[in-house]
Amino acid sequence: EVQLVQSGAEMKKPGESLKISCQGSGYTEYSFTSYWIGWVRQMPGKGLEWMGIIYPGDSDARYSPSFQGQVTMSVDTSINTAYLQWSSLEVSDSAMYYCARRIGSGCFDTWGQGTLVTVSS
Amino acid sequence: DIQMTQSPSTLSASVGDRVTITCRASQSVSNYLAWYQQKPGKAPKLLISDASTLASGVPSRFSGHGSGTEFTLTISSLQPEDAATYYCQRYSSYLSAFGPGTKVAIK
Repeated sequence: EVQLVQSGAEMKKPGESLKISCQGSGYTEYSFTSYWIGWVRQMPGKGLEWMGIIYPGDSDARYSPSFQGQVTMSVDTSINTAYLQWSSLEVSDSAMYYCARRIGSGCFDTWGQGTLVTVSS
Repeated sequence: DIQMTQSPSTLSASVGDRVTITCRASQSVSNYLAWYQQKPGKAPKLLISDASTLASGVPSRFSGHGSGTEFTLTISSLQPEDAATYYCQRYSSYLSAFGPGTKVAIK
């Protein structure tokens, strides 16, 4: 069974940097490097926002215009892990962040449990 | 940019009722449309991909139809465990987007 396990909740101050992770396991037919990994934001009480996707095979990344320049996606294929990072957090970055495996034409079949990021002074 | 809308935004129905949620795209997305179910405090769960393909393990009371710009998710007989928020997602290009969601409550 494919699983994505995300890093734990984070509490940060405005201006601080942050990198959260998403580790894949249980890939059988095709490896972790064969599937795009996506990131989705959900602000408190709000809907899902598609942030972008990254292909672990070559680190090709595609960002939603709303998130381009605000976050950076990366991968470490040696440990089947994808990352989402901020160089300078803002209070408005407070949200739940999910990673998910993209299949076929582009939907997400497997999701991580989410990482709650709280940014407060 | 292709905009997604969903209707209604909320609905309340009784156990056993047939429930239909509509998702519309501002331009054609062919059949590149998925539906997800999200319960409070949980990650979303894929229900349907490519507009009408039921995901593995999803009960057959869920079905999806449509193509182009208008899509529907139907629950043929609403069950208590179906109380959740439902999102559509278009993925007609590398860039994707979710609809605003429909909250389904049980009367």
